[in-house]
Amino acid sequence: GNSVTQMEGPVTLSEEAFLTINCTYTATGYPSLFWYVQYPGEGLQLLLKATKADDKGSNKGFEATYRKETTSFHLEKGSVQVSDSAVYFCALKQGGTSYGKLTFGQGTILTVHP
Amino acid sequence: DVKVTQSSRYLVKRTGEKVFLECVQDMDHENMFWYRQDPGLGLRLIYFSYDVKMKEKGDIPEGYSVSREKKERFSLILESASTNQTSMYLCASSLRGGTNEKLFFGSGTQLSVL
Repeated sequence: GNSVTQMEGPVTLSEEAFLTINCTYTATGYPSLFWYVQYPGEGLQLLLKATKADDKGSNKGFEATYRKETTSFHLEKGSVQVSDSAVYFCALKQGGTSYGKLTFGQGTILTVHP
Repeated sequence: DVKVTQSSRYLVKRTGEKVFLECVQDMDHENMFWYRQDPGLGLRLIYFSYDVKMKEKGDIPEGYSVSREKKERFSLILESASTNQTSMYLCASSLRGGTNEKLFFGSGTQLSVL
């Protein structure tokens, strides 16, 4: 079956540091890949997505590139802010399905200190 | 913006009680989902529905049932609550079709079963 594995957390950084959160996946065919973010006390919201190999998703200074050869979709940001403190989830949607059903990773807690 | 509303933010129930978690969305989405979120396990799909009165099991349906009598409302039912069902429950919805990868989430219901 499908699975998503994220790097162990939590991650603690100082403001303006570089961020990488690793994500690898197992799936058949050509899945779509996503990063969702959950701010304290809120539901998840879509941060960025990529739907085919070598696509780069980007939003709010975050980027991730769909690497089929390494089955990875690592999240990066060049300079984090305190307001980026949240839980980040990598997810995939199996290609060919139309119900929007997603498989999520375990989540990575990010804390950014001033 | 799409709004997904979950009826309770916090809920405390006793073992053996029948529990109803309600979710309502206001954007005419066909697809609706129930996930549970546990630390270190991420989000796991319990049930989803792609149309009124239609439902499909997710990855962990045991001990749960669902009801979708109207398009905007999707209910999760714990027939006889147990302590291992203590968790954060998240409802989500999405459109069917080409842009259906984007899930819109509610804020969640933290259920404690004593």
